[in-house]
Amino acid sequence: KAGVTQTPRYLIKTRGQQVTLSCSPISGHRSVSWYQQTPGQGLQFLFEYFSETQRNKGNFPGRFSGRQFSNSRSEMNVSTLELGDSALYLCASSATGTEYNEQFFGPGTRLTVL
Amino acid sequence: DQQVKQNSPSLSVQEGRISILNCDYTNSMFDYFLWYKKYPAEGPTFLISISSIKDKNEDGRFTVFLNKSAKHLSLHIVPSQPGDSAVYFCAASARSNYQLIWGAGTKLIIKP
Repeated sequence: KAGVTQTPRYLIKTRGQQVTLSCSPISGHRSVSWYQQTPGQGLQFLFEYFSETQRNKGNFPGRFSGRQFSNSRSEMNVSTLELGDSALYLCASSATGTEYNEQFFGPGTRLTVL
Repeated sequence: DQQVKQNSPSLSVQEGRISILNCDYTNSMFDYFLWYKKYPAEGPTFLISISSIKDKNEDGRFTVFLNKSAKHLSLHIVPSQPGDSAVYFCAASARSNYQLIWGAGTKLIIKP
């Protein structure tokens, strides 16, 4: 099976712009979670989508949004970018979202905001 | 408020010796704990987990110990190998919502 893919791998934006990141889960997986990783902060949970519905949400401002399509592919959008949004954004997929030992991560998208 | 803490940002261990990575948590509702391993330019990969009904879980060279009264868990790697050099994340979950709460990670360096 192909693994979780994320595009683009690297992105450079300026403050105030918006950005869309994409995640394709493993075939057959219906749950996609998004995380933000910054140095010294571990992984911060953004949100989880299951069957096109947002099932869980972390403590991020409304500038961070996401969606999931009928083929389980997911996108996350960050509007009005701030310098502090520079981070590695990871997505993870699993069959149902409740088996964390079967959660598979993509390589991440490295976002740099200048 | 960091509910999951990995207080050692890095750890250096001689090849062949034991590596012990520690993790503390504050939320008594957590009942499932996991360790993930991350290499540079890759996403984290699942390593081992433990449920709160157990105090030990073993998988080959990896053993996780859970001390619920101290709200502490540790990952033991014996013997340590060069390929174990990576960042190790501890994560915890309460089955009420399955949301994973992550520690900041510990970078393990195995010296030849």
